[in-house]
Amino acid sequence: AQSVTQLDSQVPVFEEAPVELRCNYSSSVSVYLFWYVQYPNQGLQLLLKYLSGSTLVKGINGFEAEFNKSQTSFHLRKPSVHISDTAEYFCAVSPGTNAGKSTFGDGTTLTVKP
Amino acid sequence: EAGVVQSPRYKIIEKKQPVAFWCNPISGHNTLYWYRQNLGQGPELLIRYENEEAVDDSQLPKDRFSAERLKGVDSTLKIQPAELGDSAVYLCASSLGLSRGTDTQYFGPGTRLTVL
Repeated sequence: AQSVTQLDSQVPVFEEAPVELRCNYSSSVSVYLFWYVQYPNQGLQLLLKYLSGSTLVKGINGFEAEFNKSQTSFHLRKPSVHISDTAEYFCAVSPGTNAGKSTFGDGTTLTVKP
Repeated sequence: EAGVVQSPRYKIIEKKQPVAFWCNPISGHNTLYWYRQNLGQGPELLIRYENEEAVDDSQLPKDRFSAERLKGVDSTLKIQPAELGDSAVYLCASSLGLSRGTDTQYFGPGTRLTVL
């Protein structure tokens, strides 16, 4: 079994400030990790994913995340946010043998203020 | 290229009524997923198809939910009868299905169901 905990339900931040959205996971097997973004009234869009290799993963829209196996974390970061980054962000984990069996966290609402 | 198409986008029904949702995946995508997203939560997988075969339906409440993917293309998810607790957003996603390890899921906009 696997689980995901997104440590902050809401993160308010000012425009051009850095942001970190935190995600911890639990799994008894090796995992794949994902971050998705969901804009209002839209479906989820993949931001980035960690499958193997380098623990620092770069994604779209200037986001990056770092896989930390010892701390079972996969935090999402962006050095300078824009108003358009306001959205819901979901962390997800799947077994290393089946990316189709993803478990999602409850989401973090990022609100970027001018 | 068109994305994943879902209809209707919104549906309001009385409890005990039946309801159906339709999904057309991205052309060429062999794998199709149905998720339920309750308010304030992440999506939960209901069923996953590889072509026309349901390969994972362990989370589908089979007493009232059913799904089909005839011909391995579009899919329908049905609830009969609906209960108040079924109010949620129902998301459809698709992926190429070439490799489970690297398969990226593409999500539709969802159907928001309200059961009164």
